[in-house]
Amino acid sequence: DAEITQSPRHKITETGRQVTLACHQTWNHNNMFWYRQDLGHGLRLIHYSYGVQDTNKGEVSDGYSVSRSNTEDLPLTLESAASSQTSVYFCASSESLAGPFYEQYFGPGTRLTVT
Amino acid sequence: AQKVTQAQTEISVVEKEDVTLDCVYETRDTTYYLFWYKQPPSGELVFLIRRNSFDEQNEISGRYSWNFQKSTSSFNFTITASQVVDSAVYFCALSGLTQGGSEKLVFGKGTKLTVNP
Repeated sequence: DAEITQSPRHKITETGRQVTLACHQTWNHNNMFWYRQDLGHGLRLIHYSYGVQDTNKGEVSDGYSVSRSNTEDLPLTLESAASSQTSVYFCASSESLAGPFYEQYFGPGTRLTVT
Repeated sequence: AQKVTQAQTEISVVEKEDVTLDCVYETRDTTYYLFWYKQPPSGELVFLIRRNSFDEQNEISGRYSWNFQKSTSSFNFTITASQVVDSAVYFCALSGLTQGGSEKLVFGKGTKLTVNP
């Protein structure tokens, strides 16, 4: 069965370190997204990609970067982790070529703690 | 700008009660899609429904039903005869084309539903 996985599921890191969260989907979807979920804010879009070599900034992109070298993976990098980036991170994918009009399928989430 | 408002932060009901979760949206797009997602205590996000802006028919799926009204910019979700397993956070979301061609899915802040036995 097709799926979307994230690793690690839990991560504790120190302020200033570079951290990379992995996202891998086997749906063969063109669109991939990264969100963060914080209490009182719902889900907020960090970055998204509509295909290989395409990346776009979302609502809360400062301090984060992504790269898309293949269809299956969209790793999220925190260049220099800050305590404000303590959150639960969700990766998602969808099949539409014209934007997120189709439902997005979400990974299980990564809980990141920055100490 | 696109916006989704879920005014109910938390709702608590007793099993078998009906419950309606409200969702109000703002958009200038003529073509857009609305979604509901469920996030149970285990944390994953589960897709429930997608509705496009040209289809105002209500939808029923088992105990779940959705009422889409463009006149009031609302897309409300009703659970009939609620069960403990319905306890979750429910998110309403909006998607559409924005000027310049960029697109994004905008989520409401969620409504936490607790169904007590």
